[in-house]
Amino acid sequence: IAGITQAPTSQILAAGRRMTLRCTQDMRHNAMYWYRQDLGLGLRLIHYSNTAGTTGKGEVPDGYSVSRANTDDFPLTLASAVPSQTSVYFCASRRTDNSPLHFGNGTRLTVT
Amino acid sequence: AQSVTQLGSHVSVSEGALVLLRCNYSSSVPPYLFWYVQYPNQGLQLLLKYTTGATLVKGINGFEAEFKKSETSFHLTKPSAHMSDAAEYFCAVRLKTSYDKVIFGPGTSLSVIP
Repeated sequence: IAGITQAPTSQILAAGRRMTLRCTQDMRHNAMYWYRQDLGLGLRLIHYSNTAGTTGKGEVPDGYSVSRANTDDFPLTLASAVPSQTSVYFCASRRTDNSPLHFGNGTRLTVT
Repeated sequence: AQSVTQLGSHVSVSEGALVLLRCNYSSSVPPYLFWYVQYPNQGLQLLLKYTTGATLVKGINGFEAEFKKSETSFHLTKPSAHMSDAAEYFCAVRLKTSYDKVIFGPGTSLSVIP
């Protein structure tokens, strides 16, 4: 079934450690996004990529980095995790300019 | 900058009653508008969207929303609530001139009382 796969499903991470959240889509969508979801704040955009080879910063990019080496993969890296990065992270993609976002099932990250 | 507000972080309705979830946006130009639903431990799914044309938009599961430019609103309604409608609902906007950013509201949690 076509869609977005995120890994891991959940993770407990010690503060200061490096972590990469994986996101892969098989829909050949050009645009991909990383959001974090926190209670009462909805979803906030961390980084985005309009097409392979390009990335951009969203609303809350600090402490995160992304890369887009190809169309399918869009990993999110926390170089040195901090407790405030405890959240649920969603990867999403979009086919065309006015099409809706498709979401993965999320990664629940706890930084202790 | 554009923003999205959703009045009421939590709404409770009785089964069979009208569902009304409110969404207002701020934008200098009419945006694309979306409603998404999130069930527990899942990602978001599209309920409906407004891009151009008819301002009353019908979505899945009997939901609909009306774009009112004069009120900068895009409220979500359903005539009769079902137990399976209990979920988190998010309104989102994307400017037609800035296709790389979709801004979400804080969400409204809908409870349906038997």
